[in-house]
Amino acid sequence: GENVGLHLPTLSVQEGDNSIINCAYSNSASDYFIWYKQESGKGPQFIIDIRSNMDKRQGQRVTVLLNKTVKHLSLQIAATQPGDSAVYFCAENSGGSNYKLTFGKGTLLTVNP
Amino acid sequence: GAGVSQSPSNKVTEKGKDVELRCDPISGHTALYWYRQRLGQGLEFLIYFQGNSAPDKSGLPSDRFSAERTGESVSTLTIQRTQQEDSAVYLCASSLAPIWDSGANVLTFGAGSRLTVL
Repeated sequence: GENVGLHLPTLSVQEGDNSIINCAYSNSASDYFIWYKQESGKGPQFIIDIRSNMDKRQGQRVTVLLNKTVKHLSLQIAATQPGDSAVYFCAENSGGSNYKLTFGKGTLLTVNP
Repeated sequence: GAGVSQSPSNKVTEKGKDVELRCDPISGHTALYWYRQRLGQGLEFLIYFQGNSAPDKSGLPSDRFSAERTGESVSTLTIQRTQQEDSAVYLCASSLAPIWDSGANVLTFGAGSRLTVL
C-alpha cells in the first residue's frame, strides 16, 4: 500500500537558521512529489514540486531534494522567517497516479524570533 | 473566482443530522477533489471529479457520504446521519487538469469547512 510519512512531527528553529523537513515514502512507483504549507485555519498552499527524473529543485528560499534510492524527500528552507511557521506536508502521486495525491501526516515548524 | 471557495466555513451539528458542504472551484478547473483532515492529521482523499463525473470515489468512508458536481463547477459533499467521528475539516481542491499534465497544474485548496458533530 501507499505510505507517505515524516521522520519528525515537530521542528523548532531560530529565525534566520535553515530548516530541513524530511519525508519518507514507500511506493517506488510514485513519480511526482509536492510540498504544501498549511497555516492555521487555512487550506494547504503549494510550495514546490519535483518529478522523479530530478533529484533537486530550487525555488525562492526553498529546495526540494529527492533520493529515490532510499525513497526520501526533504524540504530545505533557507533563512527561516516567522512567517514560515506552519505545518508542512509532503505528498506523492499515489503510485504513479495521474490525479491522486497521498499526503503524509505533516511536520509542525515553529520559528522562534 | 480568484480562489477555491468553501461554505460554510464552520458547521456544528447534532449527531444524526445531515449536512451539506459546498465547494466553488476556480473557474475553468476541470478537476475537483475532496479531502478530509482530522485534527492533527494529514489529508485523507475522499473523491475525485473530472468534469461532472467521479471516476474515483474510493475514499468515501461509508455510504453515508456522497458528492456531486454540476456544470463542471460547484460540488456538494453530503454527509447523512452524521456521527461524531465525522468531525473534521473538509477540504476541497481544484486544478486545471489531472496533476501529471504539468507541474503548473497543482491542486489549489480552499480554506475548508470545519464540521463538528456533537
